[in-house]
Amino acid sequence: EPEVTQTPSHQVTQMGQEVILRCVPISNHLYFYWYRQILGQKVEFLVSFYNNEISEKSEIFDDQFSVERPDGSNFTLKIRSTKLEDSAMYFCASSSGTGGTGELFFGEGSRLTVL
Amino acid sequence: GQSLEQPSEVTAVEGAIVQINCTYQTSGFYGLSWYQQHDGGAPTFLSYNALDGLEETGRFSSFLSRSDSYGYLLLQELQMKDSASYFCAVRDGTGGFKTIFGAGTRLFVKA
Repeated sequence: EPEVTQTPSHQVTQMGQEVILRCVPISNHLYFYWYRQILGQKVEFLVSFYNNEISEKSEIFDDQFSVERPDGSNFTLKIRSTKLEDSAMYFCASSSGTGGTGELFFGEGSRLTVL
Repeated sequence: GQSLEQPSEVTAVEGAIVQINCTYQTSGFYGLSWYQQHDGGAPTFLSYNALDGLEETGRFSSFLSRSDSYGYLLLQELQMKDSASYFCAVRDGTGGFKTIFGAGTRLFVKA
């Protein structure tokens, strides 16, 4: 069964460092998303991406964040200068389109720890 | 903006039926989804309602009333493996499509 894969599964970084989280969405999906979840809390929307551009972003997704689809398969989230409060699980998700159920297929997540 | 309200925690016994309610406010409502998340895992899709009424998928059913901005997830014949967090989520069509999650309901199933 096709799945969304994310790397790394866990990254520890120092405050102020840049981090890149990588995702390979399901191959025939068109919409890509990043969500984050601080331990024990809600799954928060960060950004949606379609047709090689951001279609919507949340207030969390400030200038420190960027997304890119550098080739036909990868979808990356970059945090330019990490802060302690960026520590969270980051989930990548993809969906086939806006019709139907809009089911999001999530990867297993990348746990980011900022020290 | 969007807001969703659901209970933080529910406890039930194996074999029982449990209902998790969700009320929402959003300007561009497109549909209500439910996701399950086990500890340490990723959210997985359970069901979706775009129209009023009940959708049934095996032991799980989901209901939507658009006029009341209300929905629920019904879990029947509870099993220990159903212990997890359950999130209602609205599909919002304003701007680009996005799915916004509620805070989640932690379900504990006891033997």
